[in-house]
Amino acid sequence: ILNVEQSPQSLHVQEGDSTNFTCSFPSSNFYALHWYRWETAKSPEALFVMTLNGDEKKKGRISATLNTKEGYSYLYIKGSQPEDSATYLCAFPRAGSARQLTFGSGTQLTVLP
Amino acid sequence: EPEVTQTPSHQVTQMGQEVILRCVPISNHLYFYWYRQILGQKVEFLVSFYNNEISEKSEIFDDQFSVERPDGSNFTLKIRSTKLEDSAMYFCASSESAGPSYEQYFGPGTRLTVT
Repeated sequence: ILNVEQSPQSLHVQEGDSTNFTCSFPSSNFYALHWYRWETAKSPEALFVMTLNGDEKKKGRISATLNTKEGYSYLYIKGSQPEDSATYLCAFPRAGSARQLTFGSGTQLTVLP
Repeated sequence: EPEVTQTPSHQVTQMGQEVILRCVPISNHLYFYWYRQILGQKVEFLVSFYNNEISEKSEIFDDQFSVERPDGSNFTLKIRSTKLEDSAMYFCASSESAGPSYEQYFGPGTRLTVT
């Protein structure tokens, strides 16, 4: 069974705070790790696809790192804003399948003004 | 920016009825997917579709489910005889290619409520 775990489950931060959360995945048979941002009533939005150990990707105030040997990825948000409030999901392609994404349960971030 | 669209946004149906959920994937994408999320649970893969046939399906995708690309733009999920446990948010997604590093672009979902 493929387990993708995210922590924490939810997080409340003040506007301007920086924050980070974790996605853990099986380190064997690694292909890629996907990060999505999902606001209520909207489409989950693809943030990053991480493929290489040591990868670091950045989009504005959001960045992500990847450690495939130990099986984790961190998502960082610098200077959180209320519009960053969303659920952040990570997903891992199932071993033997490039198409099936297995999702974590998500981290629900609330940024308080 | 191109996006995946889904209709309806919310569907209420009675147990035993057939429902068809509709999706319009991004126009140059070749791979299509359905996922679902039961309230309080993780997003789960249902099926992937390429070249007018199912390429992979999960254990959830039993004989009650079917997918079709009836024309050049729509992609549909049919549930033949709905059960209470089919109540969930159903997401359609599409991607340019099938490799693990290709992004899957998701639609906003259809919330299916079976009463």
